[in-house]
Amino acid sequence: QVQLMQSGPEMKKPGASVKVSCQASGYTFTDYGISWVRQAPGQGLEWMAWISVYYGYTIYTESLQGRLTLTTDTSSKIAYMEMRSLRSDDTAVYFCARDTGGRAGMTAQFDYWGQGSLVAVGS
Amino acid sequence: QSALTQPASVSGSPGQSITISCTGTSSDVGSYNLVSWYQQYPGKAPKTIIYEVTKRPSGVSNRFSGSKSVNTASLTISGLQSEDEADYYCSSYAGSSTHVVFGGGTRLTVL
Repeated sequence: QVQLMQSGPEMKKPGASVKVSCQASGYTFTDYGISWVRQAPGQGLEWMAWISVYYGYTIYTESLQGRLTLTTDTSSKIAYMEMRSLRSDDTAVYFCARDTGGRAGMTAQFDYWGQGSLVAVGS
Repeated sequence: QSALTQPASVSGSPGQSITISCTGTSSDVGSYNLVSWYQQYPGKAPKTIIYEVTKRPSGVSNRFSGSKSVNTASLTISGLQSEDEADYYCSSYAGSSTHVVFGGGTRLTVL
């Protein structure tokens, strides 16, 4: 069965970087894109970015462009989300989600989700 | 301020049907049949219950159904059960500039 298993919680100081991983299993990793979505405490969902695992092509939301980098390790079937220059308002649970759009196209239709990774930013 | 507008809360009694609306614009909901609905329990990851406006993933109850009219998408839950008490979010593809927009979420209470 399809599973996305994410890395554990992180506590970071303002200005630091964090790298969250998303281990895929149960499907051909390169056949689907991966999006990242975050949820601040008590708040709604916010789409952050998408990566075509097959082509390595990325799309970022404008507000995070420059601080965010998505990568994948196709041999290990892992997707990574790295965020730099962390601020207190980056404190959130970060989710990876599989996009149904196939190798090249982002449809923003997510069929499977990771369990979430808490990133807490504070001094 | 979320890009898609959902009611903050809805409620219903067991066995009843409820509908949650998700209002966008001609740039997102109105332009693409790429609207999804997610169910989320506190402290848990979202679960996709509707995608591409009307489609249900395998394993999702047929009590959940989706529809769209112009710029508003709707989620209907029929035969309400206590286990349906959760937060529900909608999202839509929004083109090559904005990409993805979410609603602010709706808390469903089963009375």
